[in-house]
Amino acid sequence: DGGITQSPKYLFRKEGQNVTLSCEQNLNHDAMYWYRQDPGQGLRLIYYSQIVNDFQKGDIAEGYSVSREKKESFPLTVTSAQKNPTAFYLCASSIFAGGADTQYFGPGTRLTVL
Amino acid sequence: GENVEQHPSTLSVQEGDSAVIKCTYSDSASNYFPWYKQELGKGPQLIIDIRSNVGEKKDQRIAVTLNKTAKHFSLHITETQPEDSAVYFCAADYGQNFVFGPGTRLSVLP
Repeated sequence: DGGITQSPKYLFRKEGQNVTLSCEQNLNHDAMYWYRQDPGQGLRLIYYSQIVNDFQKGDIAEGYSVSREKKESFPLTVTSAQKNPTAFYLCASSIFAGGADTQYFGPGTRLTVL
Repeated sequence: GENVEQHPSTLSVQEGDSAVIKCTYSDSASNYFPWYKQELGKGPQLIIDIRSNVGEKKDQRIAVTLNKTAKHFSLHITETQPEDSAVYFCAADYGQNFVFGPGTRLSVLP
């Protein structure tokens, strides 16, 4: 069964802690993306990766970090430097990022900072 | 940079009526315009897309129209059903990524 999986579905974090969100895809897509979604707003790009061992900052990268050691995996770490991390986080992938290509989304992780 | 506006922000229609959501974009270089449907607590799902070499595309009850001159594109849903209730997002490509509209919450009333 092909697709994009994100875990966990719900995540709670205390202030000052780092937390890592998982994103895995078995679609053999080259490009992967992380978005943040806040109520009433569109999706905002955090980081994206076009190829293994390479990634680029999006519009709101401050306070986040990523790695792309494997084609299938693109974990996102929300660090304690992120001032307002409570949000819904979405991972997406596309066949390649050489131009406009359809992005497919995972089910999302809802992060709440206590 | 690219900016995508989407209207209306909320839309209520009676079951069986049509719904239209409109988006405008700013970058004339944009060539690909997908539409996503997002149900509560889930990730967005692609429902239809259009590229700049066509003016209209249909898939059963869903259609998208594109006016490149005016830089706007619209989603049309006919014969709406309660399961069409969701948030709909438009997007426009910008370089190697996308810019998304803020979303439209569609409610189909039985």
